[in-house]
Amino acid sequence: GAGVSQSPSNKVTEKGKDVELRCDPISGHTALYWYRQSLGQGLEFLIYFQGNSAPDKSGLPSDRFSAERTGGSVSTLTIQRTQQEDSAVYLCASSPSGTAYEQYFGPGTRLTVT
Amino acid sequence: AQSVTQLDSHVSVSEGTPVLLRCNYSSSYSPSLFWYVQHPNKGLQLLLKYTSAATLVKGINGFEAEFKKSETSFHLTKPSAHMSDAAEYFCVVSSGGTSYGKLTFGQGTILTVHP
Repeated sequence: GAGVSQSPSNKVTEKGKDVELRCDPISGHTALYWYRQSLGQGLEFLIYFQGNSAPDKSGLPSDRFSAERTGGSVSTLTIQRTQQEDSAVYLCASSPSGTAYEQYFGPGTRLTVT
Repeated sequence: AQSVTQLDSHVSVSEGTPVLLRCNYSSSYSPSLFWYVQHPNKGLQLLLKYTSAATLVKGINGFEAEFKKSETSFHLTKPSAHMSDAAEYFCVVSSGGTSYGKLTFGQGTILTVHP
């Protein structure tokens, strides 16, 4: 079956612009997670959704970052007024439940802020 | 709070020799532990998981890991390395409580396999 998909695969943007990153989880997975992978910081948790609600937003690095999930499916991560330090690979994962068992990862979106 | 320490940032082995990637964890709750692999320009793939059942866990591609609570370790091993094993490996912990559903990743170990 189809895995987790993310779009775009690559995004180059100018400093100060807003960007939206999209994640399509595996059908039927109720839990959805966003992570960021960058040099020097490794893989960092950003936010966790169970259904459409986000019980854990503790990893969002600043108020420029926000995320939403609609219909218990697609999620969008929005970064406002992008900064060069936002350059990273943004990974989305989904799981059949909120138990963190076997999170399935998408291929990621590589964001470059110039 | 939970954390993971991967003791080696780089490991180099010859093809056909054993692989050992070391991982220690810290967790306030009974943890679930995972190893993920990331090949160059590829997504993260689950190798194996420990979720409080058998302490010796077998995964894909001949890898296995042993959960040792007394040592707070979850080292990854493989008896004989193959060239295709060259990749970056991440040890990951997840706990219950307020961290429910959140994975904490180690810094990664890059495995190089020489012919």
